[in-house]
Amino acid sequence: AQSVTQLDSQVPVFEEAPVELRCNYSSSVSVYLFWYVQYPNQGLQLLLKYLSGSTLVKGINGFEAEFNKSQTSFHLRKPSVHISDTAEYFCAVSDIQGAQKLVFGQGTRLTINP
Amino acid sequence: KAGVTQTPRYLIKTRGQQVTLSCSPISGHRSVSWYQQTPGQGLQFLFEYFSETQRNKGNFPGRFSGRQFSNSRSEMNVSTLELGDSALYLCASSLSGAGTEAFFGQGTRLTVV
Repeated sequence: AQSVTQLDSQVPVFEEAPVELRCNYSSSVSVYLFWYVQYPNQGLQLLLKYLSGSTLVKGINGFEAEFNKSQTSFHLRKPSVHISDTAEYFCAVSDIQGAQKLVFGQGTRLTINP
Repeated sequence: KAGVTQTPRYLIKTRGQQVTLSCSPISGHRSVSWYQQTPGQGLQFLFEYFSETQRNKGNFPGRFSGRQFSNSRSEMNVSTLELGDSALYLCASSLSGAGTEAFFGQGTRLTVV
């Protein structure tokens, strides 16, 4: 079984400040890793994904994440946030083959203050 | 191209009733998966269909069921609704399965009263 822990339920930051949203996972097999963003009353949008290769992954809207296999982490970072980044962020894992099944963390609510 | 379409967007049902939610995937996508999102439990996987076959199922009671049609459109059904079934139900489509990007619809907000 797989599980995902997002270490912060809420993260308030000031506009133009850097931010890191933390994610740790547990799995007995190799996994793919994802970060999704959810804006109010919307579905989920993929920010970035790690399938293989370089452990530093760049995504949309200036976000990036680093896969650390030894620490089983996949933290999301952005060097300078904007008001429009206010949303809920979800880390997720999936098996590397078979059905499309994502296991999500509980989410981190990112609030950007002016 | 058109995204994932879920209908209806909002539903209010009474305890004991049943409900059917619909999901139209992106053209060419053969995998459709369903998730339940609640404030307490977060996002939980319900089931996934690929080419009309259920490939995986989450830990939900048998009141939750689904199906997929030959055009890849999918429906999920919840029978004998309970108050705890109130949630946002999200559908995602992808080309095949694990490793291919899942595109999510806007969801159906179900309220059980």
